[in-house]
Amino acid sequence: DGGITQSPKYLFRKEGQNVTLSCEQNLNHDAMYWYRQDPGQGLRLIYYSQIVNDFQKGDIAEGYSVSREKKESFPLTVTSAQKNPTAFYLCASSIEAGRDMNPQHFGDGTRLSIL
Amino acid sequence: KQEVTQIPAALSVPEGENLVLNCSFTDSAIYNLQWFRQDPGKGLTSLLLIQSSQREQTSGRLNASLDKSSGRSTLYIAASQPGDSATYLCAAEGGTDKLIFGTGTRLQVFP
Repeated sequence: DGGITQSPKYLFRKEGQNVTLSCEQNLNHDAMYWYRQDPGQGLRLIYYSQIVNDFQKGDIAEGYSVSREKKESFPLTVTSAQKNPTAFYLCASSIEAGRDMNPQHFGDGTRLSIL
Repeated sequence: KQEVTQIPAALSVPEGENLVLNCSFTDSAIYNLQWFRQDPGKGLTSLLLIQSSQREQTSGRLNASLDKSSGRSTLYIAASQPGDSATYLCAAEGGTDKLIFGTGTRLQVFP
């Protein structure tokens, strides 16, 4: 089945540690996105990538980094500079940036907690 | 800066009722508006996407409308069922593929 796979489902981080969240898609989509979801708040965009080897900061990029070396993969690293990393992280993809009728499709998320 | 608001924050209805969820946005220059469903601990499932040139979209028992001039979208659910219980999110896109999300309406449909 085509879709977006996020792993792991649950992740625990110690203080001062960097962790990487995986996002893989087999939908042949050009664009990929990372969002953060906190209780009582809407999703907020961390980073997005419209094409391989290119990415842009979203609204809350500080303390995060990404790479887009392959079309199907868009890993997110939560660095020790992110002071409040506990949240639910969602990865999404869409067919092509700037295209009409370009719905975003989401993975099942990774819940990150601080030990 | 675009802001998206959803009212009510929570809604509890008996099975079989028709219901309306509301979404409002401050900047009418949107490219499209998308409605999602989120089950507890899960990702988002896309329900409907309305382009700015459209006024409504329908899928089964769901109908979403868009009024750009008033900055509003509504999601109409006909003949609600317990399986419809979830959080419903709307998101506005301003033409840059960046979605601005509302905080959602948590719906519970009881038998």
